[in-house]
Amino acid sequence: RKEVEQDPGPFNVPEGATVAFNCTYSNSASQSFFWYRQDCRKEPKLLMSVYSSGNEDGRFTAQLNRASQYISLLIRDSKLSDSATYLCLEGNNRLAFGKGNQVVVIP
Amino acid sequence: EAGVTQFPSHSVIEKGQTVTLRCDPISGHDNLYWYRRVMGKEIKFLLHFVKESKQDESGMPNNRFLAERTGGTYSTLKVQPAELEDSGVYFCASSQDLVRSGSPLHFGNGTRLTVT
Repeated sequence: RKEVEQDPGPFNVPEGATVAFNCTYSNSASQSFFWYRQDCRKEPKLLMSVYSSGNEDGRFTAQLNRASQYISLLIRDSKLSDSATYLCLEGNNRLAFGKGNQVVVIP
Repeated sequence: EAGVTQFPSHSVIEKGQTVTLRCDPISGHDNLYWYRRVMGKEIKFLLHFVKESKQDESGMPNNRFLAERTGGTYSTLKVQPAELEDSGVYFCASSQDLVRSGSPLHFGNGTRLTVT
């Protein structure tokens, strides 16, 4: 099983709608997780850290489910500028990234 | 605060040649990482420095790759001799503390390497 797995999508989302996707991880001892946003041909940029109690930053909400070993990202009121690939990073050992969830917000 | 900077932004070399990539981390960040993204694949970890020491180099593909961080400041990644499959985008990242303790990675713009 891969260290981190994500459904690459694409997730086609109407503007203004809500989209959510998950990232599963294999290392049950992992303690730190992050969501990154990557635009085409650019470097990953930190979107938010994922706290065990869940956290929110504006329209973005991150959750951690330890029992099922996944983290999630929810985007509310999607904007066209949210179109990007969202990468999860598992911060243990080899700092593995998933392949990313591609989000396409449609006007 | 200056971010992570990488040089060059692009490099095109022929198979068999040598290329050296440079990364300047955020000032004060002891942890420096190299990653690589090959077309169509996920970003893969290459190695991790803590100051000048290699903490983990388990992701280095083979002995044609050599990373150094003399003095614990900037780092170089040398590929010698380059092969076609080395083409990709090489990202450098730095963090203040260990990522597993909650300190996020901050990435540079990457170096796009094309081996012809």
